[in-house]
Amino acid sequence: QLVESGGGVVQSGRSLRLSCAGSGFSLSAFGAHWVRQPPGKGLEWVALLSYDGINKYYGDSVKGRFTISRDNSENTLYLQMDSLRAEDTAIYYCAKDLGSGRHDHYGMDVWGQGTTVTVSS
Amino acid sequence: QSVLTQPPSASGTPGQRVTISCSGGSSNIGFNTVNWYQQLPGTAPKLLIYTDNRRPAGVPDRFSGSKSGTSASLAISGLQSEDESDYYCAAWDDSLNGWVFGGGTKLTVL
Repeated sequence: QLVESGGGVVQSGRSLRLSCAGSGFSLSAFGAHWVRQPPGKGLEWVALLSYDGINKYYGDSVKGRFTISRDNSENTLYLQMDSLRAEDTAIYYCAKDLGSGRHDHYGMDVWGQGTTVTVSS
Repeated sequence: QSVLTQPPSASGTPGQRVTISCSGGSSNIGFNTVNWYQQLPGTAPKLLIYTDNRRPAGVPDRFSGSKSGTSASLAISGLQSEDESDYYCAAWDDSLNGWVFGGGTKLTVL
């Protein structure tokens, strides 16, 4: 399973770092995503990191502000969120990819339960 | 405005067969495979269909996926009350160099 942490209430313009810990399997063998869901709205893909940390992909709305990273020795995925805006308010889910996340794109299979980020103005 | 277009709502009666469509373009559905996710109220999304038409272990065969050109469909046969949920399609987009989701379809079992 995947367990996210690090969410909370933060002022606009500040930073927050989310973590996603994998257990029961080796997250290090797979690509990993962050996906968010604003209150009452649909799913929005945020970022993808390949299993080896080499290939990084970002959604247009977070490019240049968010950074995805991982520590395979700790079986953990991270999302550093800087220059936060009110529109970043959402539940943030981490999800494992079906593949390596490098140049093959199979998508998300295992999802965490989510952590809530609220950006106040 | 989502890159992939889904109807906002669908409905059916128990035992009926319903389909949910997902329309895209050549940069996403036209060249890449489609996944479908089910999200029950207050829970995380769950993978229902991957690579257009494959079911993960544990997903009932009442759920099936298909694709033709730049459109994909999710079919649910023998509709049950517990199928009442939000459903999302997703695909890799070569132009955006990222994943895109449909806006979601809320399925109501009457």
